Amino acid sequence: GAVVSQHPSRVICKSGTSVKIECRSLDFQATTMFWYRQFPKQSLMLMATSNEGSKATYEQGVEKDKFLINHASLTLSTLTVTSAHPEDSSFYICSAREGTNTEAFFGQGTRLTVV
Amino acid sequence: GEDVEQSLFLSVREGDSSVINCTYTDSSSTYLYWYKQEPGAGLQLLTYIFSNMDMKQDQRLTVLLNKKDKHLSLRIADTQTGDSAIYFCAAKRPGANNLFFGTGTRLTVIP
Repeated sequence: GAVVSQHPSRVICKSGTSVKIECRSLDFQATTMFWYRQFPKQSLMLMATSNEGSKATYEQGVEKDKFLINHASLTLSTLTVTSAHPEDSSFYICSAREGTNTEAFFGQGTRLTVV
Repeated sequence: GEDVEQSLFLSVREGDSSVINCTYTDSSSTYLYWYKQEPGAGLQLLTYIFSNMDMKQDQRLTVLLNKKDKHLSLRIADTQTGDSAIYFCAAKRPGANNLFFGTGTRLTVIP
């Protein structure tokens, strides 16, 4: 299948700082990218959906000013956790899809720890 | 939204069959998926089943769907140590872009 690369795989940051997570589609053009978050022992929850060149659509309860999503090109989307707090510590995973009725491929995820 | 539930852990002995179970709440879900995540890797699509099917077999994998009970299972025959991973169940609702995931079940295969 196609490859989606997510970077970094692990990051530790101090409270109050911002962290950027990148999601790249390596061998296809990702018209749509999804960002998910998973808290321990809970489901992967969709945070937002982004289409290339458009503003992201956030799920209810997800603060768009805190979780900035940029999908400026067909191969790259970024998620920036701004002013991170310990409660933002979680596993973040992206997926990317080419077209509307095609399979979405997942990155390996990013374990964020805010200390 | 939709709630998708799985048990968190499963341990089996090498060579035995593994059965991972999943329940979902939205009866209109059209596709149901099983993903595998190995350490440091992304979710890999293993198999999926359309809602008008009740069984799908692919080599060592058998998916059973009980649409009345909204219950999905993944059976892995002759489980190997390389099958140790986290398995996610996911459901797709009609018209929705995204998938609704369960918690993932961590399968540990004991040699």
